[in-house]
Amino acid sequence: DTEVTQTPKHLVMGMTNKKSLKCEQHMGHRAMYWYKQKAKKPPELMFVYSYEKLSINESVPSRFSPECPNSSLLNLHLHALQPEDSALYLCASSQLPTSGRSRWNEQFFGPGTRLTVL
Amino acid sequence: QKEVEQNSGPLSVPEGAIASLNCTYSDRGSQSFFWYRQYSGKSPELIMSIYSNGDKEDGRFTAQLNKASQYVSLLIRDSQPSDSATYLCAVNLWSNFGNEKLTFGTGTRLTIIP
Repeated sequence: DTEVTQTPKHLVMGMTNKKSLKCEQHMGHRAMYWYKQKAKKPPELMFVYSYEKLSINESVPSRFSPECPNSSLLNLHLHALQPEDSALYLCASSQLPTSGRSRWNEQFFGPGTRLTVL
Repeated sequence: QKEVEQNSGPLSVPEGAIASLNCTYSDRGSQSFFWYRQYSGKSPELIMSIYSNGDKEDGRFTAQLNKASQYVSLLIRDSQPSDSATYLCAVNLWSNFGNEKLTFGTGTRLTIIP
């Protein structure tokens, strides 16, 4: 059983809607991640939070707004999305933040939110 | 050159045989290497991590790492139909932000034929 949970499992939204994706991890990890995955493509990193601070933003459009309220929770706020933003959105967490040339960073993924933008 | 390269397949292997999946990476300083399994419509599941040159075995899975050749592989012995999935190679690569990020290959789609 995954210890990273995501809600909702599925989300359908219009281009003018505002919605939020939620992620929670129960492993005591201090790094959390948002990925976007399109069909038949690998996961694509969007954001990284280390110790609740945003450490990587992979030039993601501002219509995606991440938030990390505490070390266990990660949100992704969505506003004015485009149909091409339809994808599987994955949350992951890891034991150590991505700093230095570490030998760790095993990332564990949640089940994902399947997002459809109409 | 892509940062992490895999043969996209599809790779078809008879049940009971050994499936061999390969991956090369560009960053010679990388220290951490992972294999994820992803079933259709599901999220990636971590199945193997390897950090040192050589072999690492876990049940029917063996990961092999050769840092000099910048090559990592996954062997699946006694392949079962339930092993049919896409296998993603992932490597910690140095990012423009001065830290590491996990970079995925495009994945190899494996089909085990009963």
